[in-house]
Amino acid sequence: EAGVTQFPSHSVIEKGQTVTLRCDPISGHDNLYWYRRVMGKEIKFLLHFVKESKQDESGMPNNRFLAERTGGTYSTLKVQPAELEDSGVYFCASSQDQTDSYNEQFFGPGTRLTVL
Amino acid sequence: RKEVEQDPGPFNVPEGATVAFNCTYSNSASQSFFWYRQDCRKEPKLLMSVYSSGNEDGRFTAQLNRASQYISLLIRDSKLSDSATYLCVVNLNSGYSTLTFGKGTMLLVSP
Repeated sequence: EAGVTQFPSHSVIEKGQTVTLRCDPISGHDNLYWYRRVMGKEIKFLLHFVKESKQDESGMPNNRFLAERTGGTYSTLKVQPAELEDSGVYFCASSQDQTDSYNEQFFGPGTRLTVL
Repeated sequence: RKEVEQDPGPFNVPEGATVAFNCTYSNSASQSFFWYRQDCRKEPKLLMSVYSSGNEDGRFTAQLNRASQYISLLIRDSKLSDSATYLCVVNLNSGYSTLTFGKGTMLLVSP
């Protein structure tokens, strides 16, 4: 079974440009999460989708970030316009059952974003 | 105060050694607890969940002390392949998971 996939693996853009990250969760997983690791910091939660609905977006840093999950399958995270402090590794994760707090989240390989 | 605190290390140990990592969390309402492993430039992968009664998986033993808000991971008979960063992770919510991560503890196992 295929795991969580993310595209692109790396992205280098200039400040002010727009970047869109994509995540394909494990098939059948209704829960999709975005996390981010900024250099020197811990991995931080950004938001959580259940199917196509945003369950929790309390971790989104500001309105330059827009996440979508149309149709409840893959998700995109758009940063517009990108700032230097947006550089980091963006991880996507998915899980099957949201009713169990011990349910495992499976992480994708991440997208390494560098804003120059 | 950080939500999840870990000693960043690195812990340098020889093969065969026993090593222990500790972690504290600040929110007493935390619901579930995990150790994830992350290899360099890779994604985090679940190593083991941590239950109140403590649990063991082969060479790995995890303990939880809710009263002290403290989680531990013990690795026995360290292997070279155990070299990685170990992330202490807490879920604050019941019903759904939004994970809170520590910065991780780096382990280097040498021959």
